[in-house]
Amino acid sequence: DSGVTQTPKHLITATGQRVTLRCSPRSGDLSVYWYQQSLDQGLQFLIQYYNGEERAKGNILERFSAQQFPDLHSELNLSSLELGDSALYFCASSVGPGYNEQFFGPGTRLTVL
Amino acid sequence: AQSVTQPDIHITVSEGASLELRCNYSYGATPYLFWYVQSPGQGLQLLLKYFSGDTLVQGIKGFEAEFKRSQSSFNLRKPSVHWSDAAEYFCAVGGFQGGKLIFGQGTELSVKP
Repeated sequence: DSGVTQTPKHLITATGQRVTLRCSPRSGDLSVYWYQQSLDQGLQFLIQYYNGEERAKGNILERFSAQQFPDLHSELNLSSLELGDSALYFCASSVGPGYNEQFFGPGTRLTVL
Repeated sequence: AQSVTQPDIHITVSEGASLELRCNYSYGATPYLFWYVQSPGQGLQLLLKYFSGDTLVQGIKGFEAEFKRSQSSFNLRKPSVHWSDAAEYFCAVGGFQGGKLIFGQGTELSVKP
């Protein structure tokens, strides 16, 4: 158990819908990262927050957004969902803003029908 | 552009045999290197990391990896594989602004009894 929690574990929804994925980092970690794992793209970095502020952005679609709250939990919002958004979404956390090892949560499996 | 290549998509070894998983990276500066393992339906667990110093690093579960700058490689090794080692293994490079990780495509390890 890494100490990073993600909810829900599974999510099944329809195209065009909007969902919210939630992540709680390890105790003491200030950075939260979001990654997408799909068969065709592999593991791709989406976005990072550090202590409530966006720190780095990767291959994140405009339909996706994230935020980190004062209690340091983070949410990833996915809207206007398409079939191709079906993937495993991981949250990871680390102590500092960068150059640290990251600890991964169990992931949320999103299926878009 | 920064990238990580894991040349072997799938490897099968006999239980008790030695293992080497290959990883090559492309990165202009000094890389931070990681190996993660993902069991089916699970998140990613950090096996070991290289930040600086001794180029041979020891990790959990009896794994080790050697950083070779001249070959841009960070291969993972284990002297004797156990059936429980069957999983997917990911090599990753970090050290970028914000701390994001770039992952290889993964190597799936099967263990024959």
